[in-house]
Amino acid sequence: DQQVKQNSPSLSVQEGRISILNCDYTNSMFDYFLWYKKYPAEGPTFLISISSIKDKNEDGRFTVFLNKSAKHLSLHIVPSQPGDSAVYFCAATRNRDDKIIFGKGTRLHILP
Amino acid sequence: KAGVTQTPRYLIKTRGQQVTLSCSPISGHRSVSWYQQTPGQGLQFLFEYFSETQRNKGNFPGRFSGRQFSNSRSEMNVSTLELGDSALYLCASRRLYTDTQYFGPGTRLTVL
Repeated sequence: DQQVKQNSPSLSVQEGRISILNCDYTNSMFDYFLWYKKYPAEGPTFLISISSIKDKNEDGRFTVFLNKSAKHLSLHIVPSQPGDSAVYFCAATRNRDDKIIFGKGTRLHILP
Repeated sequence: KAGVTQTPRYLIKTRGQQVTLSCSPISGHRSVSWYQQTPGQGLQFLFEYFSETQRNKGNFPGRFSGRQFSNSRSEMNVSTLELGDSALYLCASRRLYTDTQYFGPGTRLTVL
């Protein structure tokens, strides 16, 4: 049972444009959501998070939007840069203390 | 501050053997989680340890076990290895009641 779903295995975006990565979840108990970025041969690194009491959180070029009614969140990267090419994982948890459940990831390719 | 370290980085075993992987968390982090990453399944949660006690557990068979020592270092053991156990095993540490996990580089296990 996939509680966190990233339905796009890959995404290609032109350098300088906006990258939008999507994530859906099924468990309404989740109240904290995170995005991680992973390069080959490295562990994932934390990017940005959002609590269910908010609908938007911004950190530099990265913005996460949360739509609780649709159980959907998205990560926007503006502008996209070559170094953004990586696999992005969406993750969710409840009470910030329970196990963190990850999606399968979306591979982002930034095209020159 | 030193990051999460995992040893060994690469391991080759044959079916039926057992394997032990090691993880040293960031200093001060008492929670250690283990994940299995495979191409088709993304990051799957194995278990989390805090203060030498298993706090959370994923849906893996009993062949997968772990433990944590008093210095917060953790080991993961897989017995009776199967071909499907070939994966990248990631360890992550965090302070409890925080959302941000810091991942190690992983141990690449190949089962022949």
